[in-house]
Amino acid sequence: GAVVSQHPSWVICKSGTSVKIECRSLDFQATTMFWYRQFPKQSLMLMATSNEGSKATYEQGVEKDKFLINHASLTLSTLTVTSAHPEDSSFYICSARVLLSYEQYFGPGTRLTVT
Amino acid sequence: AQTVTQSQPEMSVQEAETVTLSCTYDTSESDYYLFWYKQPPSRQMILVIRQEAYKQQNATENRFSVNFQKAAKSFSLKISDSQLGDAAMYFCAYYYNAGNMLTFGGGTRLMVKP
Repeated sequence: GAVVSQHPSWVICKSGTSVKIECRSLDFQATTMFWYRQFPKQSLMLMATSNEGSKATYEQGVEKDKFLINHASLTLSTLTVTSAHPEDSSFYICSARVLLSYEQYFGPGTRLTVT
Repeated sequence: AQTVTQSQPEMSVQEAETVTLSCTYDTSESDYYLFWYKQPPSRQMILVIRQEAYKQQNATENRFSVNFQKAAKSFSLKISDSQLGDAAMYFCAYYYNAGNMLTFGGGTRLMVKP
């Protein structure tokens, strides 16, 4: 149980285009989902926290207009990187938290390459 | 602010030997949770072990055990009988309810020598 999927696992896009990453909790309802960014050989950096049906809370330094997060249902959150640039290339990981629990379950991550 | 520090960027261990990864944290909270996550080359985050701060007994999961020293704010991970599949990045993480988020340490890369 407690499986989180991400799609796509790897995406290449051209500079200036937008790309959407989906995060789904497959067998549980997630009232809260988290989006992380990870550079090579570094730790996970929290970008934003999203709660179902409300606006996401972004960490300091994260551009909310560039990284659009939508948590439309209890099983789906999306991260859209708008007008992507090469510096946005990174590994993006989502996690989902079970209602009334401290446990978080992580998706397998999405590698974004912007050319 | 809560911080998590892993002072060992890299560690190596001989297969079948024991290795201990260090983690310290800073918090003013009394009720919190600590975790060790493993991130293999696939980059999927895998929960290795968790510890509730209110529990005095150290958590164990098969070959993995922790040494939780609450007063010292220390949370080390011991891996016994190391296996080649244990080679990965290991992240220590902290969570408390009001914070609503995990705080990760910088990670320790563990290499296992055959």
